Amino acid sequence: GAVVSQHPSRVICKSGTSVKIECRSLDFQATTMFWYRQFPKQSLMLMATSNEGSKATYEQGVEKDKFLINHASLTLSTLTVTSAHPEDSSFYICSARPYVATANTEAFFGQGTRLTVV
Amino acid sequence: RKEVEQDPGPFNVPEGATVAFNCTYSNSASQSFFWYRQDCRKEPKLLMSVYSSGNEDGRFTAQLNRASQYISLLIRDSKLSDSATYLCVVNGGSYIPTFGRGTSLIVHP
Repeated sequence: GAVVSQHPSRVICKSGTSVKIECRSLDFQATTMFWYRQFPKQSLMLMATSNEGSKATYEQGVEKDKFLINHASLTLSTLTVTSAHPEDSSFYICSARPYVATANTEAFFGQGTRLTVV
Repeated sequence: RKEVEQDPGPFNVPEGATVAFNCTYSNSASQSFFWYRQDCRKEPKLLMSVYSSGNEDGRFTAQLNRASQYISLLIRDSKLSDSATYLCVVNGGSYIPTFGRGTSLIVHP
């Protein structure tokens, strides 16, 4: 299956600092990438949909100025958590959709990033 | 009503047992359906797609009932290694995957 690489896998940062998470599709072009957040014992909640070359579409309740998404190329999307606070501590996962996708195309996930804000 | 609903469990079963999970979805226009498996602190991995005719992969059987808007996953002869969280995923408009909260399965000796 297609490979999506997410980096870093784990990060601990101080409150008030910013953290950048990268998501790369290694063997396919991804016009669309999804960013999810998962709190303990909760489901993956879609934060935003990122389309190459255009502004991301954020889900209701997700602050676009706090979670900056850049999808500058067909193989790379980044999520920057700005001015992180302890309540931002969570598991962040990206998912990429191939350039040619249908309704039956599965989602390909990165390995996830566990963010801890202290 | 949530878009995709699952019983969170946990389902605690002995090895060799048969266990079934259900998932309901609210969007009747949903186009495709999947079961993913997620191990603790790991990313979800595709277990199987779900087709209207039902499909089977070894010990796993998935069924879709469009009229009632639910999908199911049956696991036969449970193994210890089946312990995980099983996520129901529905592709709605624009093929955006929507996840249920997952059903936790614990298989014990």
